[in-house]
Amino acid sequence: DQQVKQNSPSLSVQEGRISILNCDYTNSMFDYFLWYKKYPAEGPTFLISISSIKDKNEDGRFTVFLNKSAKHLSLHIVPSQPGDSAVYFCAARDSGGSNYKLTFGKGTLLTVNP
Amino acid sequence: EPEVTQTPSHQVTQMGQEVILRCVPISNHLYFYWYRQILGQKVEFLVSFYNNEISEKSEIFDDQFSVERPDGSNFTLKIRSTKLEDSAMYFCASSQTGDNEQFFGPGTRLTVL
Repeated sequence: DQQVKQNSPSLSVQEGRISILNCDYTNSMFDYFLWYKKYPAEGPTFLISISSIKDKNEDGRFTVFLNKSAKHLSLHIVPSQPGDSAVYFCAARDSGGSNYKLTFGKGTLLTVNP
Repeated sequence: EPEVTQTPSHQVTQMGQEVILRCVPISNHLYFYWYRQILGQKVEFLVSFYNNEISEKSEIFDDQFSVERPDGSNFTLKIRSTKLEDSAMYFCASSQTGDNEQFFGPGTRLTVL
C-alpha cells in the first residue's frame, strides 16, 4: 500500500547545484504535505510543508512545489551543500476529521559532493 | 530550541518480555504520536494521542501495544509481550495542534532477541 511514493532511492549532486527530490501520491484526500530530513541514528527533522491550497512554498534554500492535478510534489534545494546529505522523506496527511497521522514515502538518499 | 526527547536510545530485550519506551514531547504541544521504522522500510504510523485518549491507531497497534501520558510531561509506549518482528526504531513525535507539523524525537532502537 504505497500511497506516497519516492521512486528515486538515491540522488547525487555537486555542491552548489540544484537538488530536486520528487514525490508522488495516490490518495486524493491528502491535503497537506511535508518534507523531512533524516541523518543516520537521528529522528526525522521537519524541513518545509505545503498545504493543498498552494502550489509553492519557499523557505531559504528550500522550495516545495505541489502539482495537485498530477498528484506530484518536489523539493528543490538551491544551492546544495555537503551538509544537506541525508535521507529525505516526503510525508502526506489527510486532514479529514481528526486524522492527523502522516503517511511517509520510503525516502531518497541525497548525497552532495564537494 | 525545544525538542522531543526519547529514552532509552537503545533497548535490547528477550522475546515475550514487556518494554516501555519513554518520550518527553515539546512542552506546549498537545498532540502526541508514535511511529516506527523497521530496518530498510519506511516510517509507519502507530498511534496518535490527544486529550488523554487515543485518537487514531493503525492495524499494527494491536492489543500488545498501549500508550499512556502518566504525568504532564511523559508519553510512553508499552509493548506487553515483544515479538522478534517488533525490532525497529520507534519514534515519538508531537505537534502543537493537530494540523501543525510534527516534531520527531531521536528514536529508540528496540532489538528483540
